Amino acid sequence: SSELTQDPAVSVALGQTVRITCQGDSLRGSYASWYQQKPGQAPVLVIYGKNNRPSGIPARFSGSSSRNTASLTISGAQAEDEADYYCNSRDSAGNQGLFGTGTTVTVL
Amino acid sequence: QVQLQESGPGLAKPSETLSLTCTVSAYSLTTDYYWAWIRQPPGKGLEWIGAISHNRSPNYNPSLESRVTISLDTSKDQFYLKLHSATAADTAVYYCARGYTSGSRFDSWGQGTLVTVSS
Repeated sequence: SSELTQDPAVSVALGQTVRITCQGDSLRGSYASWYQQKPGQAPVLVIYGKNNRPSGIPARFSGSSSRNTASLTISGAQAEDEADYYCNSRDSAGNQGLFGTGTTVTVL
Repeated sequence: QVQLQESGPGLAKPSETLSLTCTVSAYSLTTDYYWAWIRQPPGKGLEWIGAISHNRSPNYNPSLESRVTISLDTSKDQFYLKLHSATAADTAVYYCARGYTSGSRFDSWGQGTLVTVSS
């Protein structure tokens, strides 16, 4: 399969923890990258590899994976975390890119 | 810090070629990074179009491969997208980005440019 599937939307209370999942066969062979996108802005890389954060990304963002599923966890969600989140991985052959369907996170 | 900036016409006519340029600042295109094009139709998700790296052949999304050309000019610090036979379905915000691999881990992005395909 060349698809990455995410739940369309999820909500979380301010300060609570939310997990976003991404499923796809390509995740059996490569780690997911995760991006945050706010309205009118370009995506920003928040997690890559096994569980790595680029410089400037808060520690409340973390990643994990198991079999064909990757997860992004926001621990202690803040109002500024309200955004669309996309997973991304290489395809099974390793040369092409795949993006997930995207998850809208609402912070209540 | 690397910066990327897309440029090109904001309007393309159906059946014609959509052409965009990405200018890279503060980073050499001759390194092992990949230089990618990604698009996002209005209100929809992200779609990987393709990517290229110095001295390597480009990789393309199979669904677009017959219409896409991505090239690189290291002397100008630019890379390019050409999408032939454009249709209204190609209307999107087009982003250029730097990738650790051809298809993933895009750590720097341009601001994006909206291209509308319409007569």
